[in-house]
Amino acid sequence: ETGVTQSPTHLIKTRGQQVTLRCSSQSGHNTVSWYQQALGQGPQFIFQYYREEENGRGNFPPRFSGLQFPNYSSELNVNALELDDSALYLCASSLREGTGELFFGEGSRLTVL
Amino acid sequence: AQSVTQLGSHVSVSEGALVLLRCNYSSSVPPYLFWYVQYPNQGLQLLLKYTSAATLVKGINGFEAEFKKSETSFHLTKPSAHMSDAAEYFCAVTERVNSGGSNYKLTFGKGTLLTVNP
Repeated sequence: ETGVTQSPTHLIKTRGQQVTLRCSSQSGHNTVSWYQQALGQGPQFIFQYYREEENGRGNFPPRFSGLQFPNYSSELNVNALELDDSALYLCASSLREGTGELFFGEGSRLTVL
Repeated sequence: AQSVTQLGSHVSVSEGALVLLRCNYSSSVPPYLFWYVQYPNQGLQLLLKYTSAATLVKGINGFEAEFKKSETSFHLTKPSAHMSDAAEYFCAVTERVNSGGSNYKLTFGKGTLLTVNP
């Protein structure tokens, strides 16, 4: 069973740039969620994708967008980066019919200078 | 919206001592509840989960938690701390992504950093 994998693990961007983060779901999982974890905080829900459509969104602006592909892998895109976007971005996969248990990747640590 | 409160952002115990990490949630309807552990520079790993079965839930690495509906609590315990338990611990509760839908998201507490002293 392949777990959730994310890339890149670390990256540095400057304010105003755009970034794309990638995630491969655990095999058999049909739902992908993205969370932002700022330093010293718990993860915050960004959005969730099911059947290639956004299924729900947290309190994040439209410059945070995503995609889910037919193989259930996913991308998180952030435009017009701001300093406060510096965080660990966590991808999690799950089963829509499940109990809400999430299986997390190792995360992508984004630093915005 | 759900909320999760973890009392104590930092808990320090001696090796071999009892570990108690506190979690209270806001829901009036018994939700699904989880404890996750995060080691430095890593993602979150599931420790245990409550899904409406037994109220005392056993997890990995000797951890357990008890769901108490009357107290809206789900505290995490371990009888004897080990140095390898040093990590950050997050309590989380499920919440529907959209009302009427069947997809869930997790709402997390702010975390409790556990340090274990030799």
